[in-house]
Amino acid sequence: DGGITQSPKYLFRKEGQNVTLSCEQNLNHDAMYWYRQDPGQGLRLIYYSQIVNDFQKGDIAEGYSVSREKKESFPLTVTSAQKNPTAFYLCASSNRVGGGGNQPQHFGDGTRLSIL
Amino acid sequence: GDSVTQMEGPVTLSEEAFLTINCTYTATGYPSLFWYVQYPGEGLQLLLKATKADDKGSNKGFEATYRKETTSFHLEKGSVQVSDSAVYFCALKAGQGAQKLVFGQGTRLTINP
Repeated sequence: DGGITQSPKYLFRKEGQNVTLSCEQNLNHDAMYWYRQDPGQGLRLIYYSQIVNDFQKGDIAEGYSVSREKKESFPLTVTSAQKNPTAFYLCASSNRVGGGGNQPQHFGDGTRLSIL
Repeated sequence: GDSVTQMEGPVTLSEEAFLTINCTYTATGYPSLFWYVQYPGEGLQLLLKATKADDKGSNKGFEATYRKETTSFHLEKGSVQVSDSAVYFCALKAGQGAQKLVFGQGTRLTINP
């Protein structure tokens, strides 16, 4: 079945450590996104990518980095500069906006990151 | 800027009750509107969508109508089940060239048997 796979499901980070969250999709979608979800809040956009080798900052990009070397993959690195990284991280993908602004985003099952 | 406001939760209902979760929005242009559902420990699933004024999205017994005059997209279901317990998010994508989904804060729904 086509879908989005995020791994790992749970991740623990030590102080001062960088960690990388994986996101892979086999939906042949051009656009991919990373969101952060905090308790009682909606999702906030970290980074997004419309095409391979291109990505843009979202609303809360500080302390995060991404790469888009392959269409299927959009890994997110949470760097030591992110002072409050504990959250639920969701990856999503969609067909390119050029196909219509109403293209829905499809989500993975998320990675829960905690600080040791 | 664009924003979405949902009714505050949590909402607790008995099985077979009528459900309404209010959602209003502020946006430039002509947004597309979405409802997503999140079950415990999972990502978000698209529940329904509407792309222009007076459109009605529907799925699994849930409905929402795009009301431009009141800038609203309220979610309704006539008879809820225990399995509907989840967090519901209203979201918009503003305009044809928009990339970003703007989410409401989510409404936690619990259905008691």
